[in-house]
Amino acid sequence: DGGITQSPKYLFRKEGQNVTLSCEQNLNHDAMYWYRQDPGQGLRLIYYSQIVNDFQKGDIAEGYSVSREKKESFPLTVTSAQKNPTAFYLCASSMDSGSADTQYFGPGTRLTVL
Amino acid sequence: KNEVEQSPQNLTAQEGEFITINCSYSVGISALHWLQQHPGGGIVSLFMLSSGKKKHGRLIATINIQEKHSSLHITASHPRDSAVYICAASFGNEKLTFGTGTRLTIIP
Repeated sequence: DGGITQSPKYLFRKEGQNVTLSCEQNLNHDAMYWYRQDPGQGLRLIYYSQIVNDFQKGDIAEGYSVSREKKESFPLTVTSAQKNPTAFYLCASSMDSGSADTQYFGPGTRLTVL
Repeated sequence: KNEVEQSPQNLTAQEGEFITINCSYSVGISALHWLQQHPGGGIVSLFMLSSGKKKHGRLIATINIQEKHSSLHITASHPRDSAVYICAASFGNEKLTFGTGTRLTIIP
């Protein structure tokens, strides 16, 4: 089955620790995205990547880092510099980077920082 | 400023009712997306449209470019339609701008 996987579904970390969220896709999509969702707000773009070894900051990149070493994988690291890391994180991919292209979403990771 | 507004925020209806969710946007767009988010959090893309109307089963999406407005309709609503429905707009760059969502609850 083709799709996007994110792991783990729930993640708990202590304040001050870095944590890495996994995102893998086997759809052969070029573009991948990381979003953050908070209650009462629309999804906000953290980072996106249009091609391997290249990525751009989204609207709320501060305190986050990404890598795109393989087409299939786009891990997100939430660093200790992120002031309010507790949120629901969604990864998505699309055939190409145009925002008029359909995006396919993973199941999400709910991060709680204690 | 690129903005997307949805209404209503919450909608509760009886099974079988016709449902309408509205989305308006601030400036011209290249495409409008409708997404569905179930209680577990996963998001599914329902429609992408730039003009006219699209239909899939009991779901219909329309867009009026002149009025900068789109609607999502559900006919013969069912409790399994209960979810958060999100509209998102492409304002001509690589990024989508998302509305805050409409939480729909269908009562049996």
